[in-house]
Amino acid sequence: AQSVAQPEDQVNVAEGNPLTVKCTYSVSGNPYLFWYVQYPNRGLQFLLKYITGDNLVKGSYGFEAEFNKSQTSFHLKKPSALVSDSALYFCAVRHTSNYQLIWGAGTKLIIKP
Amino acid sequence: DARVTQTPRHKVTEMGQEVTMRCQPILGHNTVFWYRQTMMQGLELLAYFRNRAPLDDSGMPKDRFSAEMPDATLATLKIQPSEPRDSAVYFCASGLDRARGSGNTIYFGEGSWLTVV
Repeated sequence: AQSVAQPEDQVNVAEGNPLTVKCTYSVSGNPYLFWYVQYPNRGLQFLLKYITGDNLVKGSYGFEAEFNKSQTSFHLKKPSALVSDSALYFCAVRHTSNYQLIWGAGTKLIIKP
Repeated sequence: DARVTQTPRHKVTEMGQEVTMRCQPILGHNTVFWYRQTMMQGLELLAYFRNRAPLDDSGMPKDRFSAEMPDATLATLKIQPSEPRDSAVYFCASGLDRARGSGNTIYFGEGSWLTVV
């Protein structure tokens, strides 16, 4: 079955430190991978996506993600965390048969001053 | 600034009442999705439309939920009768699907926060 896993329910990072939010996937064929962020009481906002090409994808708010085919991972990263980055982050992969997005359970990112 | 618009933003209703949520997708988008978000289940896909045609509503409880697109600028999600377990945030999202299987991005509205008492 095609799936996405976000192994950490919560990630705590001190402000100014680098952050990583992990995502692994399982699909047949070439994956289309997405990251979204959800701030409290808001809808999901698109951050970045990988379709093809360069394995390092840059997105909004200084975030980037690295596609690693051999490890079937698409981890979200930022070199220096801000308190305002505190939010819920969702990884998603497009199902290669029905084209629907398969969503991870979400990772709560907490940035402490 | 194009965005998906959802109404109402907040709704408190009594059990047994009909609830209608509305969504205006981004102009020009041809796919519309209804999602439900709860703490326990996370994000669940309820319905999916492409060019106004329903393609997938397998995630939707058929006995009480219905989703329609009367025209390209309006999608509706109805619950009748509502139950306390329907309390959740309901999100509408839209995207431009130039070809099935393309890596198009979907954009979410701010959600309709439903409480059934």
